[in-house]
Amino acid sequence: IVMTQTPPSSPVTLGQAASISCRSSQSLVHTDGNTYLSWLQQRPGQPPRLLIYKISNRFSGVPDRFSGSGAGTDFTLKISRVEAEDVGVYYCMQATHFPVTFGGGTKVEIK
Amino acid sequence: QVQLVESGGGVVQPGRSLRLSCAASGFTFRLYGMHWVRQAPGKGLEWVAVISFDGSYEYYGDSVEGRFTISRDNSKDTLYLQMNSLRVEDTAVYYCVKDEWLALDSWGQGTPVTVSS
Repeated sequence: IVMTQTPPSSPVTLGQAASISCRSSQSLVHTDGNTYLSWLQQRPGQPPRLLIYKISNRFSGVPDRFSGSGAGTDFTLKISRVEAEDVGVYYCMQATHFPVTFGGGTKVEIK
Repeated sequence: QVQLVESGGGVVQPGRSLRLSCAASGFTFRLYGMHWVRQAPGKGLEWVAVISFDGSYEYYGDSVEGRFTISRDNSKDTLYLQMNSLRVEDTAVYYCVKDEWLALDSWGQGTPVTVSS
């Protein structure tokens, strides 16, 4: 499964919203009815961190300014009000079909 | 809290072998599937392998299939990655990752592997 993320880079103003798109080459609906699409954040010099799992579920400790949506092959991560600590690279990931695959990443930076 | 500490990385010549380890703590290791994910310098994330909670199931990425072997010792709360026939393109930071319902919910700090002559 090929995961295509857009845009590759997203310069945003502090306090403004950011949106990242992820499209899969096949439906990510599993035979068990779940859609195993996640979003991860990687801050500079840090390992990745899980933000969102199964399309729209925020992981423990993730601020509510992060939200995920979508279905089938099209998914979106939104940051409602970007803060300085949100700078980094964001990846979508699918685990519905093995091998697990990641999107190419979207770099979020402050204007 | 969950802690995953990788070790065993280093510099190795092409064609040689290396074994990575990941010591887990802060959760009941034997109940969770585990993954290895790698990241080449300046590049994105590449999934390497997964092993089921009891070791009965393994799956590999295409680029490492037949060369790498994932395993675990639930009595020692430790995950392993045996890497054989290493290639220059295997150079990366290797992360040990815990699986929760097919989401990669906890990551180690990573161990760097450099394959160079």
